Amino acid sequence: AQKVTQAQTEISVVEKEDVTLDCVYETRDTTYYLFWYKQPPSGELVFLIRRNSFDEQNEISGRYSWNFQKSTSSFNFTITASQVVDSAVYFCALSEDSNSGYALNFGKGTSLLVTP
Amino acid sequence: EAQVTQNPRYLITVTGKKLTVTCSQNMNHEYMSWYRQDPGLGLRQIYYSMNVEVTDKGDVPEGYKVSRKEKRNFPLILESPSPNQTSLYFCASSSLDISLTNYGYTFGSGTRLTIV
Repeated sequence: AQKVTQAQTEISVVEKEDVTLDCVYETRDTTYYLFWYKQPPSGELVFLIRRNSFDEQNEISGRYSWNFQKSTSSFNFTITASQVVDSAVYFCALSEDSNSGYALNFGKGTSLLVTP
Repeated sequence: EAQVTQNPRYLITVTGKKLTVTCSQNMNHEYMSWYRQDPGLGLRQIYYSMNVEVTDKGDVPEGYKVSRKEKRNFPLILESPSPNQTSLYFCASSSLDISLTNYGYTFGSGTRLTIV
């Protein structure tokens, strides 16, 4: 069963629009970690944020913000005033304490296209 | 600069010809892991290592070998590559100390492997 669901396969916005990427996760662990990664067209995976299950505080970093809600098992990512350089595939990922391999369970990704 | 270095970035080779993809990290991380990324299947863990001489299988280990003789290096070995191993491969490393504020998985730039 898919542990991380990113329902939006592709999103297209015009520069300066705000955009929210959804992430819903599933786990029975009480301790787990959520991540967002960016994969630009060049292919590398860039770490954006980690959130622990015991820390529901939302986070803002420049134009990026994250909303973690345990009640709905969601960890959504908002880009404010999007820019062309934000065009990339964004992955949400879950790491569970019960997984001895510390494997990251990735969602299928959301491809974001920002046009001028 | 803290980084994970993979080589080669691109490789086209023939079925059955042994190959090694190297991975090296300079952050003194205990944990290292290999993932493959395939369209429609997302990113899946191949092998991981918790420390020197400690390795274990991930979700898709068949056809691969790894070794961890030194803390900084974690090569991925394909003894007899086949076309179904054509994929984009990523090496990742992480500290096991989750209390670190920058705790997260650092990924290499990826190796695009084509087996013909």
